[in-house]
Amino acid sequence: EAQVTQNPRYLITVTGKKLTVTCSQNMNHEYMSWYRQDPGLGLRQIYYSMNVEATDKGDVPEGYKVSRKEKRNFPLILESPSPNQTSLYFCASRKTGNQPQHFGDGTRLSIL
Amino acid sequence: AQKVTQAQTEISVVEKEDVTLDCVYETRDTTYYLFWYKQPPSGELVFLIRRNSFDEQNEISGRYSWNFQKSTSSFNFTITASQVVDSAVYFCALSVYYTGNQFYFGTGTSLTVIP
Repeated sequence: EAQVTQNPRYLITVTGKKLTVTCSQNMNHEYMSWYRQDPGLGLRQIYYSMNVEATDKGDVPEGYKVSRKEKRNFPLILESPSPNQTSLYFCASRKTGNQPQHFGDGTRLSIL
Repeated sequence: AQKVTQAQTEISVVEKEDVTLDCVYETRDTTYYLFWYKQPPSGELVFLIRRNSFDEQNEISGRYSWNFQKSTSSFNFTITASQVVDSAVYFCALSVYYTGNQFYFGTGTSLTVIP
């Protein structure tokens, strides 16, 4: 089954404790992206990647890191999480730039 | 700069009514794509439609229809004879070729269909 898989689905942690949210897709897609969803703000792009070793900042990259060492994986790293990063996070992938995105089920992060 | 505006934050309709969700976009580029996504209460994001900037033909899919007008930079979404299952948050999005096809989402419209 074609899918984008994010882990964990839920996480409660404390300020400053490094965490990684994994994202994996099995569709051989070139493009992958991370978004955060906050009430009233819609989805905002954090980082995106056009291919392996090719990443770029989206609209809200501060406090986040990503890497794309393999085509299927695109982890989101919070080196020193802060409460303002409490949000619902979505990973997405697409075959080419103008194709629809396939989204993971989301990861709800709470930073205390 | 690219921007998508969904001015309607929340809409409530009674079942069987028609409802139109507005989407206005901004871009200076001539090559772009517009999308609608649905986010039901369960939280997943479901793709509904894609339209490219060179195709202004309206589209109908069952009870759903989309009206793309370049003259007003709008890509509106109409649900005919709404049903309770249509209750969701709907997002309009723009992808622009010359910014590496980044996606720009609107803030979403929350639709509640009352039985």
